[in-house]
Amino acid sequence: SYVLTQPPSVSVAPGQTARITCGGNNIGSKSVHWYQQKPGQAPVLVVYDDSDRPSGIPERFSGSNSGNTATLTISRVEAGDEADYYCQVWDSSSDHPHVVFGGGTKLTVL
Amino acid sequence: QVQLVESGGGLVKPGGSLRLSCAASGFTFSDYYMSWIRQAPGKGLEWVSYISSSGSTIYYADSVKGRFTISRDNAKNSLYLQMNSLRAEDTAVYYCAREFSSSPDAFDIWGQGTMVTVSS
Repeated sequence: SYVLTQPPSVSVAPGQTARITCGGNNIGSKSVHWYQQKPGQAPVLVVYDDSDRPSGIPERFSGSNSGNTATLTISRVEAGDEADYYCQVWDSSSDHPHVVFGGGTKLTVL
Repeated sequence: QVQLVESGGGLVKPGGSLRLSCAASGFTFSDYYMSWIRQAPGKGLEWVSYISSSGSTIYYADSVKGRFTISRDNAKNSLYLQMNSLRAEDTAVYYCAREFSSSPDAFDIWGQGTMVTVSS
């Protein structure tokens, strides 16, 4: 089955840029979505289809996807961005389509 | 406003059954695909099951296939998950989530979750 690999943690100082990667075999051929989850809360979609933002998500959140790596980039990081981030794809390559999530990355704002 | 509210969680013994419900409001429920997604304590997200808008197409994760059944009642704006033969590893917060109209592969609306604990 398809596997998405994320680093367990990323740390960044306020005002700097955070980059969270999501690795998968030829992930560039798939649409990647990113979610932010704060403690005790449900996930929130922050980027869809590799690089688009839902209404209400700040422009500081952006994404890219090519080859075997997708990346969520958070510019001018704020304390409120501290959360777990998950990448997600829909894998239709097997005989039964299914949704795949990465293991999640904890973003710490120093 | 657009909202999903799960219910039905609780403590159940291994081998037992539980039925989760998800009540939708603020949108035309029958137009949307829906999924159940779970999160074990301190762990990441795990997709459980998907159902198309009419209920005609259903998919399951291998970990629950044959034990869980997803269904929906569009007249009642409700999504369900019947969970049988429960195991300790099914312990998790269970979320219902709506497909994103701009990208059906993604989920834009999530409920607050309902906790299922499988323990003797």
